[in-house]
Amino acid sequence: DSGVTQTPKHLITATGQRVTLRCSPRSGDLSVYWYQQSLDQGLQFLIQYYNGEERAKGNILERFSAQQFPDLHSELNLSSLELGDSALYFCASSTGALSSYTQYFGPGTRLTVL
Amino acid sequence: AQRVTQPEKLLSVFKGAPVELKCNYSYSGSPELFWYVQYSRQRLQLLLRHISRESIKGFTADLNKGETSFHLKKPFAQEEDSAMYYCALSGVTGGGNKLTFGTGTQLKVEL
Repeated sequence: DSGVTQTPKHLITATGQRVTLRCSPRSGDLSVYWYQQSLDQGLQFLIQYYNGEERAKGNILERFSAQQFPDLHSELNLSSLELGDSALYFCASSTGALSSYTQYFGPGTRLTVL
Repeated sequence: AQRVTQPEKLLSVFKGAPVELKCNYSYSGSPELFWYVQYSRQRLQLLLRHISRESIKGFTADLNKGETSFHLKKPFAQEEDSAMYYCALSGVTGGGNKLTFGTGTQLKVEL
């Protein structure tokens, strides 16, 4: 158990809908990351927050947004969902913001869009 | 741009045989490299990182900057080693960080 928690574990929704995924980092970690794992794209970095501020951005669609709250938990919002958004969404956390800090992953949220 | 290549999608070995999972990278700076393991599409678990030079579950990996490689090795495969293995490169992007993953290698250890 890495100490990173994610809710919900599974989410089934319809195209066009909006969902929110939640992540709580390990105690003491200030940085949160979001990744998408799909069969065709593999593991893709979406976005990083450090102490409430956006620090790095990857291949995140405009329909997706994220934020990190003062208590350091983070939410990933996915809107106007499409079939292709079905994937496993992982959150990770690390102590600091830079590459020297190891990222620890949560169990993931499995999103199915019907 | 940073890129990680894992040339083998599937590697099948017999129990007790040596294992080598290949990883090559492309990065202009000084790389931070990791191996993560994923069992049955569950959470990614850190196996090892090059800077610590630890041996976890009998696995080791050496960074070869000349060949830009970070191959994962184990002298004797065990049945419980069957899993998906991802090589990842950590890079700094304007004060931040992101992991770039390879496509992964499925290791299957047969009896």
